[in-house]
Amino acid sequence: AQSVTQPDIHITVSEGASLELRCNYSYGATPYLFWYVQSPGQGLQLLLKYFSGDTLVQGIKGFEAEFKRSQSSFNLRKPSVHWSDAAEYFCAVGGNNDMRFGAGTRLTVKP
Amino acid sequence: DTAVSQTPKYLVTQMGNDKSIKCEQNLGHDTMYWYKQDSKKFLKIMFSYNNKELIINETVPNRFSPKSPDKAHLNLHINSLELGDSAVYFCASSQLERGLDTQYFGPGTRLTVL
Repeated sequence: AQSVTQPDIHITVSEGASLELRCNYSYGATPYLFWYVQSPGQGLQLLLKYFSGDTLVQGIKGFEAEFKRSQSSFNLRKPSVHWSDAAEYFCAVGGNNDMRFGAGTRLTVKP
Repeated sequence: DTAVSQTPKYLVTQMGNDKSIKCEQNLGHDTMYWYKQDSKKFLKIMFSYNNKELIINETVPNRFSPKSPDKAHLNLHINSLELGDSAVYFCASSQLERGLDTQYFGPGTRLTVL
């Protein structure tokens, strides 16, 4: 069965610092992977997705993620965090009728 | 120009009542979904539906039922509301792209059952 693990429940970084949010997955075949962001009181917005091809995926708002099959990981990165990036971040695997989400990582940005 | 919209945004009601949440998408997508997000932010799919097939997560109580008047709408009806139904409910829609859908979410409806 497919599943997603986000090991970090809460991360705090200083504005301008780099960010990496971890995501590990378990999937029987080639995974389809997604990162979504949820701002307080808002719905989920798609940041980026991986289906196939280049393992380094560029998304919106300056985010990127790298698919590493050997590590079953799809970590999200940003070189310089802005205060507006404070939100909940969800990794997801699968799709169609069987999308599985991780428990989320809450990002706090310090001034 | 909201792609996926839901109404109402907030819903407060008494236990035992019947309520509905509406969802509309203007993306021309074929498939729509309902998700439940609990107090710990965990997202769980409840239903997926296109004009041919309804797929129900077997853990969803039959008090919950989706109703689709047309391809752009998927409403969620909940009968005999219980305290444990309090959550944020998200609607989403998708269209197949290279063999897999990408789901786009609505803003959510926060349901509070008293």
